[in-house]
Amino acid sequence: QVQLVQSGSELKRPGASVKVSCKASGYSFTSYALNWVRQAPGQGLEWMGWISTNTRNAAYAQGFTGRFVFSLDTSVSTAYLQINSLKAEDTAVYYCARAMISDYWGQGTLVTVSS
Amino acid sequence: EIVLTQSPGTLSLSPGERATLSCRASQSVSNNYLAWYQQKPGQAPRLLIYGASSRATGIPDRFSGSGSGTDFTLTISRLEPEDFAVYYCQQYASSPRTFGQGTKVEIK
Repeated sequence: QVQLVQSGSELKRPGASVKVSCKASGYSFTSYALNWVRQAPGQGLEWMGWISTNTRNAAYAQGFTGRFVFSLDTSVSTAYLQINSLKAEDTAVYYCARAMISDYWGQGTLVTVSS
Repeated sequence: EIVLTQSPGTLSLSPGERATLSCRASQSVSNNYLAWYQQKPGQAPRLLIYGASSRATGIPDRFSGSGSGTDFTLTISRLEPEDFAVYYCQQYASSPRTFGQGTKVEIK
């Protein structure tokens, strides 16, 4: 069965970096793009962008350029979200989701940024 | 950027009642590339509807989607206890693939 399993919660200081992983199984990893979605505490869903698992091309929504980086390791069917120079307002749950229609989602990774 | 506006913000209904949720787009959503998701507290969203009206795998037929262009509707024909949740629409026709702000369906 299709699964996206994300890495565990992270507590980081402002200015640090974090790398969230999303490991896919149960399907051909390079057949579907992956989206990244943010959900701040008590807030709605915010689409961050997506990465083609075939071409490795990434597109970022406004507000997620510069400090946010999507990457892949196709040898282990894993996508990564790296956030640099963390700020308190980056505190959120981050989700990966498969394909244009986001038919499968990871369980989410809580990133907490606090001094 | 396509802005999606969902209404109402909160819907208070009883089990067995019909729920009608609206999602209005600021411009036409091409190919009706509009999806609906359900999210329960502490859980990841779940895809319910894609292409405005196609049910995702395993979704009960009490959930239905309709609409085209700029106006879309999610209907839950008879609310079950497990249907009380937050519902989001998303357009995936153009980048950025924006979400609506959500509609909370709560028990009356």
